[in-house]
Amino acid sequence: EIVLTQSPGTLSLSPGERATLSCRASQSVSSSYLAWYQQKPGQAPRLLIYGASSRATGIPDRFSGSGSGTDFTLTISRLEPEDFAVYYCQQYGSSGPTFGQGTKVEIK
Amino acid sequence: EVQLVESGGGLVQPGRSLRLSCAASGFTFDDYAMHWVRQAPGKGLEWVSGISWNSGSIGYADSVKGRFTISRDNAKNSLYLQMNSLRAEDTALYYCAKDMLIRTSGSLFDYWGQGTLVTVSS
Repeated sequence: EIVLTQSPGTLSLSPGERATLSCRASQSVSSSYLAWYQQKPGQAPRLLIYGASSRATGIPDRFSGSGSGTDFTLTISRLEPEDFAVYYCQQYGSSGPTFGQGTKVEIK
Repeated sequence: EVQLVESGGGLVQPGRSLRLSCAASGFTFDDYAMHWVRQAPGKGLEWVSGISWNSGSIGYADSVKGRFTISRDNAKNSLYLQMNSLRAEDTALYYCAKDMLIRTSGSLFDYWGQGTLVTVSS
């Protein structure tokens, strides 16, 4: 099983600032099959990024993903008020998809 | 518009059984794999099980293998999860999720339901 470790656990930022979230895998994620999801309180997760860097339908271009192998990054270029949420990475390259433990982006 | 509506959750005693259902609409159900993902209260996401578009390929997390059974009825656009021998650690919000990739199982979830809560307690 591929273990995903996200850092930091909590990110305290102000609207307009840049957010950089990290996801590290215990072994290489094949074909960059790495996704990012956003979850707000009381809501289901929403797919943001797949294939490490492709934005899902309807996702604003302030969200971008990068990385390969074992190190991946989600960047939010300028935080909007609606971006404060928990973000999860997920690998789907090996049998038995796994999620990271999440990074909470909170208002400073 | 894609809609996934889960039902069947509730309070159940340890060792008992429960069957979850997910009613799908707004897409061609029998073209896509489907999955169950759960989230314990205040915790992260855990994939539970997935089933291919034609039920030919099925997978389970180790934590539920041998106790849970996933199935689907393409004629009814419905997904199911039969949960037996329930434990306290199975307490969670159970989401039904659609796979993004057509006619294959990529385990990439592009649409989610709102979830149904399962509480296992005596």
